Amino acid sequence: EDQVTQSPEALRLQEGESSSLNCSYTVSGLRGLFWYRQDPGKGPEFLFTLYSAGEEKEKERLKATLTKKESFLHITAPKPEDSATYLCAVQGSYNTDKLIFGTGTRLQVFP
Amino acid sequence: EADIYQTPRYLVIGTGKKITLECSQTMGHDKMYWYQQDPGMELHLIHYSYGVNSTEKGDLSSESTVSRIRTEHFPLTLESARPSHTSQYLCASSLTSGNTIYFGEGSWLTVV
Repeated sequence: EDQVTQSPEALRLQEGESSSLNCSYTVSGLRGLFWYRQDPGKGPEFLFTLYSAGEEKEKERLKATLTKKESFLHITAPKPEDSATYLCAVQGSYNTDKLIFGTGTRLQVFP
Repeated sequence: EADIYQTPRYLVIGTGKKITLECSQTMGHDKMYWYQQDPGMELHLIHYSYGVNSTEKGDLSSESTVSRIRTEHFPLTLESARPSHTSQYLCASSLTSGNTIYFGEGSWLTVV
């Protein structure tokens, strides 16, 4: 069964304190792994798509990496405005009609 | 940035009322989706559409129905709302299957 597990559930960081969020997945034939940011009461905002092991993508203070079993979202020198829930989702090659989501990591960055 | 719009954003209605959640996208995307998300929980796909006159049920069973008469419009209807329907409903779209899925801001529905 396709599954996505994110850890930790919640993370509190001091401003400038770098860290990583984990997304472990099992899927029959990975078509793509997606990272989204979700602010309270809003819809998910697309961040990255990763397609194959070894791939990396960066955007401002965020960097996403992918292996055959997991993905990491590295946050370098975070700021309070980075506070949000970060969602990971996978899309299997046999069924590209849907995304399988994890429950997310709730990140809080304090000044 | 995704151009996908949902109305209403917030709605409180009484049990037994009929409600339609509107969703429109201006990106010309073929595929559209409805996801349901309870606070702190995963998103679950409840409906999707490949294009005009196409509607499919998702993984999570839902008493809602959808229609796709125009490419840009994908409304979701609950004929008789119940408290168990209280949730956030997220509309999304993608260019085709396998492409990145973009989400709207969501509609928060509370049934009292």
